[in-house]
Amino acid sequence: DADVTQTPRNRITKTGKRIMLECSQTKGHDRMYWYRQDPGLGLRLIYYSFDVKDINKGEISDGYSVSRQAQAKFSLSLESAIPNQTALYFCATSDHPGRSYEQYFGPGTRLTVT
Amino acid sequence: AQSVTQPDIHITVSEGASLELRCNYSYGATPYLFWYVQSPGQGLQLLLKYFSGDTLVQGIKGFEAEFKRSQSSFNLRKPSVHWSDAAEYFCAVGEPGGYQKVTFGIGTKLQVIP
Repeated sequence: DADVTQTPRNRITKTGKRIMLECSQTKGHDRMYWYRQDPGLGLRLIYYSFDVKDINKGEISDGYSVSRQAQAKFSLSLESAIPNQTALYFCATSDHPGRSYEQYFGPGTRLTVT
Repeated sequence: AQSVTQPDIHITVSEGASLELRCNYSYGATPYLFWYVQSPGQGLQLLLKYFSGDTLVQGIKGFEAEFKRSQSSFNLRKPSVHWSDAAEYFCAVGEPGGYQKVTFGIGTKLQVIP
């Protein structure tokens, strides 16, 4: 089974709808991240969490919110989706910096907002 | 602020030919450096990383990269490309210590022709 899973894998929604993307991990990592990927822009950080009580905004957090329900679960919400939020969204995890800086990525969620 | 430049958006090479993907970074000190690969429909996978020590690092799938401080570069190389190497490659720079911020380049898409 995959260490980092994302649901759904694909989603089409309409402008103004609320949508939640979910991420679960079995790696036992404390740190979790949400990125979006757009062609020509690479990956940009939306939110990150160091543990269930520590959530921080990334470089493009406007229009998004997150919830860290447990060490293993980190959800991304679009309160009122708009077309320019159409993108590929990735969840990632990492271990404590003293052990490793590698980030482990989920397979991605392709979101289309019409 | 740290930044990463991947000057080549697309590269096409023949199978069996050598490959070099360029990456330049901007950071005030010696950063942590990474190369990730993204195969179609999948998340990112770490190829290799540089933290300190030997400036030539070996990674998975026969890839290597060389850190050149004087040129602020961390180019990825492979002596002989296989068709299965067709993917998108991301260089990333990490901030040692603290929050563990990682900044990704925009990616280089590699096409391999027979």
